[in-house]
Amino acid sequence: DQQVKQNSPSLSVQEGRISILNCDYTNSMFDYFLWYKKYPAEGPTFLISISSIKDKNEDGRFTVFLNKSAKHLSLHIVPSQPGDSAVYFCAASAADFGSGDKLTFGTGTRLAVRP
Amino acid sequence: DVKVTQSSRYLVKRTGEKVFLECVQDMDHENMFWYRQDPGLGLRLIYFSYDVKMKEKGDIPEGYSVSREKKERFSLILESASTNQTSMYLCASSATGTAVSYEQYFGPGTRLTVT
Repeated sequence: DQQVKQNSPSLSVQEGRISILNCDYTNSMFDYFLWYKKYPAEGPTFLISISSIKDKNEDGRFTVFLNKSAKHLSLHIVPSQPGDSAVYFCAASAADFGSGDKLTFGTGTRLAVRP
Repeated sequence: DVKVTQSSRYLVKRTGEKVFLECVQDMDHENMFWYRQDPGLGLRLIYFSYDVKMKEKGDIPEGYSVSREKKERFSLILESASTNQTSMYLCASSATGTAVSYEQYFGPGTRLTVT
């Protein structure tokens, strides 16, 4: 049962435009959400996160929006740059003492930014 | 600068061999994780550990075991490698105790091919 879903396996965007990556989750116990970026042959790197007490978090060109009622989050990249071309994973965590702070990852969306 | 290292970037093993994948982190993190990444399936948690000598099964533990004898080192063991264990293996670590700790730091990955 996939608790975190990224329904778009790929996305292609023109350089300078906005990229919007979407993520849906089913577990209402999730209270913290993260986005990771992964280049080929490298490990994922942390990009941005948001707590469930917020609905928006911004860091430079990256903004994450959380809609708890819809169990949906999105990552906006503005403006998109060719170096943003990578696979993006959303991840979620539920506060659960002793669980080791597990993350549940989505299946990823491959973003291609065209020059 | 935080660092998670994995013993090999590429590994080729034969069916039935015992395989050891090692991971070392230098951040004094309590939590360590092993994932595998497969196309269309995202990152799936195999095992994790929240303390020395402690281990917990993730979502897909079958065919794997782990060992954590020291805080900085977490080993993944394939007792008898099979072709369906051909995958990218990623190790990660995180601190514990606060919401910020949900961020996991990843190693570069080991591409394992079982023939």
